[in-house]
Amino acid sequence: GENVEQHPSTLSVQEGDSAVIKCTYSDSASNYFPWYKQELGKGPQLIIDIRSNVGEKKDQRIAVTLNKTAKHFSLHITETQPEDSAVYFCAASRGSSAGNKLTFGGGTRVLVKP
Amino acid sequence: GAVVSQHPSWVICKSGTSVKIECRSLDFQATTMFWYRQFPKQSLMLMATSNEGSKATYEQGVEKDKFLINHASLTLSTLTVTSAHPEDSSFYICSARDWERTHEQYFGPGTRLTVT
Repeated sequence: GENVEQHPSTLSVQEGDSAVIKCTYSDSASNYFPWYKQELGKGPQLIIDIRSNVGEKKDQRIAVTLNKTAKHFSLHITETQPEDSAVYFCAASRGSSAGNKLTFGGGTRVLVKP
Repeated sequence: GAVVSQHPSWVICKSGTSVKIECRSLDFQATTMFWYRQFPKQSLMLMATSNEGSKATYEQGVEKDKFLINHASLTLSTLTVTSAHPEDSSFYICSARDWERTHEQYFGPGTRLTVT
């Protein structure tokens, strides 16, 4: 089955700096890669996603890049703010061919220091 | 739009009792819902896929007789933890897939279960 590795497990950045989280996946058939933000005691919230036919996607301060050949994708957060502090999870899915199941990475705890 | 609710948000029960958790899609229909379990400071682990009108599909290692799932309508799935034990204490999260519009999964706020 799919295996998703996520690094780093913790990330501390100064407010205003950029944060980068990287994930690798094992199943070349995976075609959907969402990123979730989870605050303490809450469910994950989708922040951005990318499909395999696209190499990069941006939404304001957040961007995701995908390298299908290397089977890795990354989340980039620019101009970080204290409210960006949370746990971020990447995930991969083969879509309907695998029941739309998501396989999650281990998570990255991001701390933005004011 | 795309709101998923869970009830209760937290529950404490005694060993040996059963507890039911509800997952509802509030503004969309979901033929498929997913149930996850999350231990402290760990990732989400998929327990089962809940399909409206049919039996749930359980992931390897998840006891189907212990974690009963019912998806009786297009907006409601329930997870019943039967004969709960302290090791069942965890954060249970559901998600629902919007099959008509975005095809994305939207997560509920989670239910914290503590078994004493």
